[in-house]
Amino acid sequence: GIQVEQSPPDLILQEGANSTLRCNFSDSVNNLQWFHQNPWGQLINLFYIPSGTKQNGRLSATTVATERYSLLYISSSQTTDSGVYFCAVMEYGNKLVFGAGTILRVKS
Amino acid sequence: DAGVTQSPTHLIKTRGQHVTLRCSPISGHKSVSWYQQVLGQGPQFIFQYYEKEERGRGNFPDRFSARQFPNYSSELNVNALLLGDSALYLCASSLSQGHVLTFGAGSRLTVL
Repeated sequence: GIQVEQSPPDLILQEGANSTLRCNFSDSVNNLQWFHQNPWGQLINLFYIPSGTKQNGRLSATTVATERYSLLYISSSQTTDSGVYFCAVMEYGNKLVFGAGTILRVKS
Repeated sequence: DAGVTQSPTHLIKTRGQHVTLRCSPISGHKSVSWYQQVLGQGPQFIFQYYEKEERGRGNFPDRFSARQFPNYSSELNVNALLLGDSALYLCASSLSQGHVLTFGAGSRLTVL
């Protein structure tokens, strides 16, 4: 099956700093999503981005499908950005394969 | 429009008992998927249902079963609970297969 690797596993930032989270996947995909999991466990959709670049406020994402990686950029980080960020790719049907996540802590 | 709703939000069971978790998809969504998230790990796929038929099953024992109803809501059943079944159980819905998945807030199960 598809393997999904995320880096870094942990990240501590000072408020206002920028960061880049990376997701590598082992096979070609036509569905890739980035999620933010808040402290209560809710998985929030950030981006559906099988290829190309998208931006939403301070967040943007780029997927280079031919090279099998995706990047999530967070600019001017805020304490509310803290949580776990997951990359997930669709293997078949609606089976999403998740990475292990990046734990982000933003300090004020 | 309401998002994906799951019930109950929290529950505590003892080993050997069974549990039923419920999920209502976003209106118009016909596909429901279930995921298990153990503490410190990413969610793991359990089942997918589309148009009331099972379309995918992850690597989980037969103690896990699910079904989808005519109104597209779904139930996940787990029998003979083990301590290792303690986890956050997430339901996701989508318009059809291969579309963007939207997750509910989850049901947190503790097995004592």
